[in-house]
Amino acid sequence: GNSVTQMEGPVTLSEEAFLTINCTYTATGYPSLFWYVQYPGEGLQLLLKATKADDKGSNKGFEATYRKETTSFHLEKGSVQVSDSAVYFCALFTGGGNKLTFGTGTQLKVEL
Amino acid sequence: DTEVTQTPKHLVMGMTNKKSLKCEQHMGHRAMYWYKQKAKKPPELMFVYSYEKLSINESVPSRFSPECPNSSLLNLHLHALQPEDSALYLCASSQDLWGAGTEAFFGQGTRLTVV
Repeated sequence: GNSVTQMEGPVTLSEEAFLTINCTYTATGYPSLFWYVQYPGEGLQLLLKATKADDKGSNKGFEATYRKETTSFHLEKGSVQVSDSAVYFCALFTGGGNKLTFGTGTQLKVEL
Repeated sequence: DTEVTQTPKHLVMGMTNKKSLKCEQHMGHRAMYWYKQKAKKPPELMFVYSYEKLSINESVPSRFSPECPNSSLLNLHLHALQPEDSALYLCASSQDLWGAGTEAFFGQGTRLTVV
C-alpha cells in the first residue's frame, strides 16, 4: 500500500534560518506529491505540488523536488519567517487509490 | 473561486442530538470528501463521493451519514455521537478521482465537540 513518512517534529528555528522538512514515500504506480500547510485552528491549504519525477513545486518561497530515485519530496525554504509557523503535511495521491495518503505532519515553530 | 466553504465553523452537540455539517464548492469539482482530524494527527478519510455517488466508505460508524444532494453540496448528518467523535471535520473537493496531478482543496473545517 501507499505510505508517507515525515520527520518528527516539532522543528524550532530562528527567523531567517534555512528550513528542511524531510518526506519519503512508498507508492504503487506514479503518484502525485503534495505539501499541505495547516495554520492553527484552520483547515489545510495546498502549499505546492509535483506530478512527475524531477518536477519542482514552489510557492511562497517554499520548494520541493520530486525525486523518484530516492522516493523523496523534501520541503525547503531559504529563510523562514514567524508567520510560517504551522503544521506541514506531505501527501501523495494515486488516482487508482482514490484518496490522499498523508504523512503524520511536522510542526514548525519559528521564533524571533 | 477556489473555495470550499464549510458551515458551521464550530458545533457543540449532545449525545442525543441530530445535527448536520454542510460543505459547498463552486469549482465544478466532481469528487468530494469528508475527513476527520484529531488533534496533532493527519486527516483521516471518511467518505468519498464521485459524481454525487458514494464511492468510498472507510468503515465509518453508521452514526455518521453522508449525503450529496447535488454536485456542489456535501452534507454529513450526525446522530447519537460519542465524546470520542469530537474532532475537526474537513471537507475537500477535487476535479475528479482519476486525473494525474489531481489536487484536493480543503475547507476550513467544522470544530465539533460532543458533550
